Formats: sequence, C-alpha cells, structure tokens
Amino acid sequence: DAKTTQPNSMESNEEEPVHLPCNHSTISGTDYIHWYRQLPSQGPEYVIHGLTSNVNNRMASLAIAEDRKSSTLILHRATLRDAAVYYCILRDSGGGADGLTFGKGTHLIIQP
Amino acid sequence: DAGVIQSPRHEVTEMGQEVTLRCKPISGHDYLFWYRQTMMRGLELLIYFNNNVPIDDSGMPEDRFSAKMPNASFSTLKIQPSEPRDSAVYFCASSLLRATLAQFFGPGTRLTVL
Repeated sequence: DAKTTQPNSMESNEEEPVHLPCNHSTISGTDYIHWYRQLPSQGPEYVIHGLTSNVNNRMASLAIAEDRKSSTLILHRATLRDAAVYYCILRDSGGGADGLTFGKGTHLIIQP
Repeated sequence: DAGVIQSPRHEVTEMGQEVTLRCKPISGHDYLFWYRQTMMRGLELLIYFNNNVPIDDSGMPEDRFSAKMPNASFSTLKIQPSEPRDSAVYFCASSLLRATLAQFFGPGTRLTVL
C-alpha cells in the first residue's frame, strides 16, 4: 500500500466539527482511501472510504482533493466517544482483499 | 450478527508454554486476517486467509508462530514456545472479497507472556 502521512495528534472541543487531514502524494489511480479508527481498548473500526468523489455516511464525511494527493475526514459534531486513533489507509482495488497497512494514525483528543 | 468473536480475551502464560488464540469470523466472509498490536510496532498484519487457504504469511514473525483455518467459521493462531516479546494484543478480522470492502475486527486477545 502507498504511504500516508497524518499528524500525530489533534485536539478539539466537544460538539464542534473536526477535520482530520491525510496526505498521500504517491497515491495511484486504483487506490481507495480508507479510514479506520480505534477507540481505547477496542479493535479498529471501519469509518469510511472513497475513490474520487466526496463521501458521506452516518459516522463521518470524506473530502478528497481534486488531485487525490490528500483527503480530510470530517466529524461534523464530535462527541467524547469520538476520542480515538484515526488511521488513513490506501488500498489497491486492483486485486482481491488484502491486509491493511496501519501507520501511526492521528490521536484525536476531545475536550468536554 | 455477533461480529468477529475472539477467545480468550485475556491470556497470561509463562515463557515456553504453548498459546492458542481462537477466532470465529463473521458468517459468509471470505477473508480472515490476524494482526498484532504492540506499543513499539503498532498494528501489523501477520497472516491472512481466503476461503480457508493461507494467502500471505510474510508477516508471521518466526517459526514459533503458526495459523490454521480448518473451516470457514474457525481459525487459530498458535505460538509455541511463547516468549515475553510475544506479549501484545492479537486481533482477528474478516471481510468479504474485494479490497474496497471494510474489514471487521474482533475485540482482540491481550497476551502476556511472563
């Protein structure tokens, strides 16, 4: 999988929007952008994924730059339960499923 | 759906003992993955199976580690003999075919080797 770069940590206040950035300048045309998060003492949890267009689901939104070299995960109204490590991962859609390559992720801290 | 089930949730053993971790994937999923998480190395893929067949075991640290998937609803990860450096949280995950689909993780097994 291609490499991604994320800030080590970010802090936000409860009930405010959070924008988590991810840089992936070496992304290939067949790479999907996936986001997972890991709450304390739990396994990673799928959040959202996209290819070119912005995506929305019940958990978050994913904004993808036009050149696809960066993306932003948006939590529209953060709660204390959103405090977690967020991982941005590229996955090649060219083949079948394969393992995820996790980086260090962004540790999101939510202040009440 | 019960999700991915792992057992035991916690395991404490002594160096040299055999350890067996168990995983039941989500019914109908084609792929099963074993990951390990430590503070030093983060989350690492150990091995994954497709339709019960091991596809890539390049992440298995050494011969002391082995994994099997005798049927679509059960997999084991065995460490024999165990060493203190094997202490970690071991996660099992499953997914359907296609790289675009999500992987669903179990709650993990926290292994402590004394």
